[in-house]
Amino acid sequence: IQLTQSPSFLSASVGETVTVTCRASQAVNNYLGWYQKKAGKAPELLIYAASTLQSGVPSRFSGSGFGTEFTLTITNLQPGDFATYYCQHLKGYPITFGQGTRLEIK
Amino acid sequence: VQLVESGGGLVQPGGSLRLTCSASGFTSIDHYMDWFRQAPGKGLEWVGRSRNKGERYSTEYAASVNGRVSISRDEYKNSLYLLMKNVQAEDTAVYYCAKDNSHWAFDIWGQGTLVTVSS
Repeated sequence: IQLTQSPSFLSASVGETVTVTCRASQAVNNYLGWYQKKAGKAPELLIYAASTLQSGVPSRFSGSGFGTEFTLTITNLQPGDFATYYCQHLKGYPITFGQGTRLEIK
Repeated sequence: VQLVESGGGLVQPGGSLRLTCSASGFTSIDHYMDWFRQAPGKGLEWVGRSRNKGERYSTEYAASVNGRVSISRDEYKNSLYLLMKNVQAEDTAVYYCAKDNSHWAFDIWGQGTLVTVSS
């Protein structure tokens, strides 16, 4: 199953709202997670089961979708949110990630 | 609750590497545990999985490493291992271990260990 994220690059300002889309080549039910990745750091789980917020993650992050189309929305962007975001499915093997969406400060 | 990887470093092409993932704060044998990697300038890639003790630590591997990799456990050391043979330049990456949260995602990750394959 291939995951395609759009856009691959996003430029936004502090306080803005952004949305990242992840499309699966086959239906993955809600077996999808979203991660934040910063250089030199481990990935951090933000959302699991497509829409469940991981404990400790700010409610500015939200996820939605089912089947083949999913979105990650970040409201009121904060300086620490500028990073690369990945979606990941676990509907069978191999487990795959999207190619990543790099979010930069405008 | 944390995971700590070790064992990375410089490996010659054709050589082998053994990475260790030490778990603390939870009993790793109760969980599916996976290995991932990120090559320089690239995205995240799944390497392989070890299911929990109840499923006899059965494994799954990515096609890119299948036949060269094995994942094993030591329940007494609360650790996970990745053994890779015949490493190539394209295996150069930061390798991470992670814990499956039983909801199709990975909630605990190690800090990563860098493997560089070069002569």
